[in-house]
Amino acid sequence: GIQVEQSPPDLILQEGANSTLRCNFSDSVNNLQWFHQNPWGQLINLFYIPSGTKQNGRLSATTVATERYSLLYISSSQTTDSGVYFCAVEGYNTDKLIFGTGTRLQVFP
Amino acid sequence: DSGVTQTPKHLITATGQRVTLRCSPRSGDLSVYWYQQSLDQGLQFLIQYYNGEERAKGNILERFSAQQFPDLHSELNLSSLELGDSALYFCASSVPQMGTGAPGNTIYFGEGSWLTVV
Repeated sequence: GIQVEQSPPDLILQEGANSTLRCNFSDSVNNLQWFHQNPWGQLINLFYIPSGTKQNGRLSATTVATERYSLLYISSSQTTDSGVYFCAVEGYNTDKLIFGTGTRLQVFP
Repeated sequence: DSGVTQTPKHLITATGQRVTLRCSPRSGDLSVYWYQQSLDQGLQFLIQYYNGEERAKGNILERFSAQQFPDLHSELNLSSLELGDSALYFCASSVPQMGTGAPGNTIYFGEGSWLTVV
């Protein structure tokens, strides 16, 4: 099945800093989503982005499907951005959304 | 609020017991997914239902079973519970691509059911 790797595994930032999270996947995908899991365990959708670029406030994401990676940009980070960021992908001919191992982000004031 | 409702939110039970987790998908969503999140295994796909039928199966144990009812709500049954079954169980739903059952759009997750087996 598809392998999903995320980097870095851990990231510590000071408030106001920018960061880039990466997701590599091993095969072509027809679905890619980014999620944020907050410290209370809630999984929140950030982007549905199988290809192209999207922006939502301080967050943006880019997926280069031909090169099998996606990037999540967080600008001017805030303490509320802390949590784990997951990339999840679904390949063609499968109905399984497979999650990466996540990037744990801690933002300090 | 994602619109996906899961009950119960927390559950503590003893080894060997059986529990049922319930999920109501977002209005209009035909596909329901179950995921297990444990500390050492990350987020693992268990099973997907599309309009009442099993669509895809992941790493779901034989002791676990699920179904989706005509009103589209779903239940995950966990039996002969072991300590290692302690985890956060998520339900998710989506609007599928027409005729495929595959998510053609964002998948929305419920808040999860915390299961502790003692």
